[in-house]
Amino acid sequence: GENVEQHPSTLSVQEGDSAVIKCTYSDSASNYFPWYKQELGKRPQLIIDIRSNVGEKKDQRIAVTLNKTAKHFSLHITETQPEDSAVYFCAAGGNRDDKIIFGKGTRLHILP
Amino acid sequence: DTAVSQTPKYLVTQMGNDKSIKCEQNLGHDTMYWYKQDSKKFLKIMFSYNNKELIINETVPNRFSPKSPDKAHLNLHINSLELGDSAVYFCASSQGAVSSPLHFGNGTRLTVT
Repeated sequence: GENVEQHPSTLSVQEGDSAVIKCTYSDSASNYFPWYKQELGKRPQLIIDIRSNVGEKKDQRIAVTLNKTAKHFSLHITETQPEDSAVYFCAAGGNRDDKIIFGKGTRLHILP
Repeated sequence: DTAVSQTPKYLVTQMGNDKSIKCEQNLGHDTMYWYKQDSKKFLKIMFSYNNKELIINETVPNRFSPKSPDKAHLNLHINSLELGDSAVYFCASSQGAVSSPLHFGNGTRLTVT
C-alpha cells in the first residue's frame, strides 16, 4: 500500500522568512496530494491540494510543487506569520487502495 | 452549522468498558471515515464507508465496529476498551472519490484509565 514520508518533523523559522516541508510517496498510482493544517486542539483543515496533472499550484502565500517522476511534493509558505504556527500534514490519495494516507506531520514554529 | 459534527467531544472511561462515538455530516457527501490520531499526532485511517457500505477496513482490532445507518451518519462502537485505545478519533467526510478533500469533525478525545 501507499507510504508517505514527511520531513522535517519540526521546523522553526523566523517570522517573515519562508518555510518548506517535503514529502515523498511510494505508490506511483497516487494522483491527489492534499495538505492539511492542524492548530493546537483543533481539527485538520485543508489548506491546498494538487492533482497529478499539474506541477505547481499557488494560493497567496502558500504554494505546492509536485514531481511525479521523483514521487515527491513540497509545501512552501512565504512571509510566515505567527498564525502559521501549527502542525502540517501532507497526504497522498487516488491510488488503487482507494484511501488517503497521511505523512507523520511537521510541527512549524514561527519565531518572533 | 457545523458540517461534520461528532459527539461526545471528550470521553473518559475505564478499561474493559464499551463506548460509542457518533458522527453526522450535513454536506451531502457520499463517503465517511474514521481516523485515529495518537499522542504523536499520527493520523491513521481506520474505516471508510461509501453510501452505507464499508469500503476500507484497516488492520483495526475487531473490538472496533463502525455502523452507518445512512450516508449522513457513521458511528464507532468500541468494546472492551484498552489503555492503548486512548487517542483523538476524527470523523471525516468527502464527496466520494478519493481525490476529494476530507472535511474533519472536531474530534473526540478518548481517555481510557
